[in-house]
Amino acid sequence: DAGVIQSPRHEVTEMGQEVTLRCKPISGHDYLFWYRQTMMRGLELLIYFNNNVPIDDSGMPEDRFSAKMPNASFSTLKIQPSEPRDSAVYFCASSRRQGPGELFFGEGSRLTVL
Amino acid sequence: QKEVEQNSGPLSVPEGAIASLNCTYSDRVSQSFFWYRQYSGKSPELIMSIYSNGDKEDGRFTAQLNKASQYVSLLIRDSQPSDSATYLCAVNQGGKLIFGQGTELSVKP
Repeated sequence: DAGVIQSPRHEVTEMGQEVTLRCKPISGHDYLFWYRQTMMRGLELLIYFNNNVPIDDSGMPEDRFSAKMPNASFSTLKIQPSEPRDSAVYFCASSRRQGPGELFFGEGSRLTVL
Repeated sequence: QKEVEQNSGPLSVPEGAIASLNCTYSDRVSQSFFWYRQYSGKSPELIMSIYSNGDKEDGRFTAQLNKASQYVSLLIRDSQPSDSATYLCAVNQGGKLIFGQGTELSVKP
């Protein structure tokens, strides 16, 4: 079975541009999580979905960030407009159940905003 | 105070030694705890979970939990160079998995 698939793997953009990150969770997993990892702040939970419904978005930094999950096999994280401080690795993870449970992470999308 | 705290390291141990990684958490009602390993440039992967006070062993890995002290640890026996990675402590708090900053472990041959 394929793992969590994220795209793009690398994204370099200029400040002010819109960035869209994509994620395909493992089939059959009900929960999807978006995390951001930086050296300074570590791995931070941004938002998570259960059965395509956003449950907790308290980790979303500000209104420039938005996430959607239109169906069970696809989610997007959008940043508009992007800023240099958004530079990070963004991970998508999925699980069968939220907890206790194992998160399966994608390979991450490394974002650089110039 | 951070919700989940770990020493950032780096922790350096010789091959064959025991590596001890520590983690404290702030939410007293947390019930489930996890250790993830992250190799450089890769994504985190689960290596241990623990839910009850005491020790849980899996091969060369032992997780220890003390809820009264709000303390979780991971021991790696007979450390190998392939164990060199960042180890992330994660705590389920109110249904959300909160990660510590991670401890970088380096095992020297």
